Amino acid sequence: EVQMVQSGGGLVQPGGSLRLSCAASGFTFSAYWMHWVRQAPGKGLVWVSRINPDGSSISYADSVKGRFTISRDNAKNTLYLQMSNLRVEDTAVYFCTRDTFGDKDFWGQGTLVTVSS
Amino acid sequence: QSALTQPASVSGSPGQSITISCTGTSSDVGSYNLVSWYRQVPGKAPKLLISEGGKRPSGVSNRFSGSKSGNTASLTISGLQAEDEADYYCCSFTISRTYVFGTGTKVTVL
Repeated sequence: EVQMVQSGGGLVQPGGSLRLSCAASGFTFSAYWMHWVRQAPGKGLVWVSRINPDGSSISYADSVKGRFTISRDNAKNTLYLQMSNLRVEDTAVYFCTRDTFGDKDFWGQGTLVTVSS
Repeated sequence: QSALTQPASVSGSPGQSITISCTGTSSDVGSYNLVSWYRQVPGKAPKLLISEGGKRPSGVSNRFSGSKSGNTASLTISGLQAEDEADYYCCSFTISRTYVFGTGTKVTVL
């Protein structure tokens, strides 16, 4: 059974940092592109970032470029999102998702990040 | 990258068909064969409904279908049922090699 268990969310002050993790199981993690998608409270889905299977190809949404870093550890079957210089507008539930030919076919449970003083 | 445009809400009676539009530009929707569609129940993670290839994952009813014309993609739900109440999102790859989601549509069954 495919599972992606997320951790690392919480409350952080503006300008602070936080690292999200997404532990995958039930599939060959090292063979798949992975994404982060976020959803502000009461708002729609917003694509954040993606990474290819070996970590050599990465892209970001303009809103997070230069502040967020996506990475993965294939030995630990884990996806990460390092978030720095956080802003109030980064407050959202963050989801990790698996990519199969462009489709986000499995999603983590989501983790809430709240940026507030 | 601006979000793809979807109607905020669409409603219909049980048994009716409804269509949700997803309008983008030649830099996203217009550049690729199809978009993918996701269904989200409030408080839960989204689920894939229609793949970029137009296919339905296992377990998704054949009442759901996707199509595209120019810069606009569409999701049609036929034989509307009470259980179809949810939020629906389209998603497209872009020429910048990023992804963009639609603004989301709340479906209400009257």
